[in-house]
Amino acid sequence: EVQLVQSGAEVKKPGESLKISCKGSGYSFTSYWIGWVRQMPGKGLEWMGIIYPGDSDTRYSPSFQGQVTISADKSISTAYLQWSSLKASDTAMYYCARPVHYGSEYYFDYWGQGTLVTVSS
Amino acid sequence: SSELTQDPAVSVALGQTVRITCQGDSLRSYYASWYQQKPGQAPVLVIYGKNNRPSGIPDRFSGSSSGNTASLTITGAQAEDEADYYCNSRDSSGNHADVVFGGGTKLTVL
Repeated sequence: EVQLVQSGAEVKKPGESLKISCKGSGYSFTSYWIGWVRQMPGKGLEWMGIIYPGDSDTRYSPSFQGQVTISADKSISTAYLQWSSLKASDTAMYYCARPVHYGSEYYFDYWGQGTLVTVSS
Repeated sequence: SSELTQDPAVSVALGQTVRITCQGDSLRSYYASWYQQKPGQAPVLVIYGKNNRPSGIPDRFSGSSSGNTASLTITGAQAEDEADYYCNSRDSSGNHADVVFGGGTKLTVL
């Protein structure tokens, strides 16, 4: 069974750093991209970026380039999303998801349960 | 990058049929995928490709596409279908960074 299991909720202060994780299981972790999606309180889904754990090829949405860092450790089948200096506006739910690309089809077939990040002084 | 436009809210009477639409230039090159999100839960894929349902998704959910518009149809809406629905596609540029979600449609079942 394919599963993406994310790390637990975090409460941080502005300016602090943070790294959240997404552990894949039940499939070949190095053969699929893993993406990150933000959902701010009461808002819609926003695409952040993606990584291919097989070779660490990483792409970012222009909206998030330079704001976050996506990485992966294939030895433990885990992808990461990190911030060097959090802002209150980073308060959101963050989801990892596995994209599938086949011809003209592009979809996210599995999602993590989400990690709630709260940034408040 | 492309944008996908959805109506913010739609309502349907219990047991009736409802169509949720998604418009965007990228849909001329890529099929839309559709996700259901209930409060406090992660999104769940309900339709992908031309009209495919993942295992466990009821057959009252179906998808279609014409030009730059994709549609999710629920035939015989049930109370448990009340949720937010998001469409998604990849930009025709083919860049993994150019993935886009619609703004979401809140479906109310009356």
